[in-house]
Amino acid sequence: GESVGLHLPTLSVQEGDNSIINCAYSNSASDYFIWYKQESGKGPQFIIDIRSNMDKRQGQRVTVLLNKTVKHLSLQIAATQPGDSAVYFCAEPTGGGNKLTFGTGTQLKVEL
Amino acid sequence: DGGITQSPKYLFRKEGQNVTLSCEQNLNHDAMYWYRQDPGQGLRLIYYSQIVNDFQKGDIAEGYSVSREKKESFPLTVTSAQKNPTAFYLCASSSTGGRSGQYFGPGTRLTVT
Repeated sequence: GESVGLHLPTLSVQEGDNSIINCAYSNSASDYFIWYKQESGKGPQFIIDIRSNMDKRQGQRVTVLLNKTVKHLSLQIAATQPGDSAVYFCAEPTGGGNKLTFGTGTQLKVEL
Repeated sequence: DGGITQSPKYLFRKEGQNVTLSCEQNLNHDAMYWYRQDPGQGLRLIYYSQIVNDFQKGDIAEGYSVSREKKESFPLTVTSAQKNPTAFYLCASSSTGGRSGQYFGPGTRLTVT
């Protein structure tokens, strides 16, 4: 069946270090992925997306890598800041593309 | 400002009462969604609507109902049939369904005692 999951539930990094959050997906036909950031008590915020015809996409301090061979997605955050502390979700279209299925989420904690 | 609004931010109800959560968007999006989030958990889809006057059940629709009479509005009713209604409820909208980013409201935290 279709599923999106994350390898690590919690990731702790030192301020200034780079963070890497991973996501595995099982549907090899998936052609679009999104990363969201959710701060405590708030709604998820769109960070970056990537389509399956790309291997890499960069934003401001964030990079998403897609490895279709092993069905793996990662979010890299450069020079992690305290404001990056949040839960990060990956998501992919399911149900014929009419809805998104979200992974469990990874809690990123930035230590000063 | 364009966006999605949910009200109220906090809601308290007694067990056995129905309660309706509001969701309004002015992004001119066709699709709207309701999710439930429990502490330390991911998002689970309750209902979604791709067009006015049409909606579909998500993964956990039992005990919930929705309506989509206007493009801008997608209210969710948590009925007394929902066994564990206490949760954080999130509304989202998108322009083209799953193959575009969904934009989320600030959420409503419902507590039923």
